[in-house]
Amino acid sequence: DTAVSQTPKYLVTQMGNDKSIKCEQNLGHDTMYWYKQDSKKFLKIMFSYNNKELIINETVPNRFSPKSPDKAHLNLHINSLELGDSAVYFCASSQIPGSLSSGNTIYFGEGSWLTVV
Amino acid sequence: AQKITQTQPGMFVQEKEAVTLDCTYDTSDPSYGLFWYKQPSSGEMIFLIYQGSYDQQNATEGRYSLNFQKARKSANLVISASQLGDSAMYFCAMRAYNQGGKLIFGQGTELSVKP
Repeated sequence: DTAVSQTPKYLVTQMGNDKSIKCEQNLGHDTMYWYKQDSKKFLKIMFSYNNKELIINETVPNRFSPKSPDKAHLNLHINSLELGDSAVYFCASSQIPGSLSSGNTIYFGEGSWLTVV
Repeated sequence: AQKITQTQPGMFVQEKEAVTLDCTYDTSDPSYGLFWYKQPSSGEMIFLIYQGSYDQQNATEGRYSLNFQKARKSANLVISASQLGDSAMYFCAMRAYNQGGKLIFGQGTELSVKP
């Protein structure tokens, strides 16, 4: 069983379209994240949800809207796609962020490769 | 501000030898965790090892060990007995506990293991 699963894995779409990436975790974690990896492999957080509530919203254009229907799911919807949105988007999950436990690792999904043409 | 720095964009190591990947960090938060992830060419992010800021011992996981030097703010990854399958991108990351738990990543080091 995949712990953090994302769909689709590959997505090619035209500029101006709206698309969604879905994410589910079966680890029982309270917190989920979206990270973006650019063409230079740099990874940056976009959003974080704890128990369905938004707790981190980095400077991301408001064309990007996360939605968490329950604590096991965090979907990413992107409106009016632009060429610069082409990247790999990673979903991740962990236990509550305040824990110092060595087990409080952040686990990543396999990534969703988005190409905007 | 939190920052992670990996100064080695690329490294080569001979199979079966040990290799050290450098990572330095900066934070004013006394409570933080340091992570290393491996990203092979297939793209997934694989968790390797974790070190908490209050941990007295250096973390080890199989062939991976983390050389944690708190005063120097460094958290180098040591891979012993390198294998061809270790060829990948390696990311150091930090999570400060007053920052909502977000991971901040370094630029990554691409490791190539030669047969």
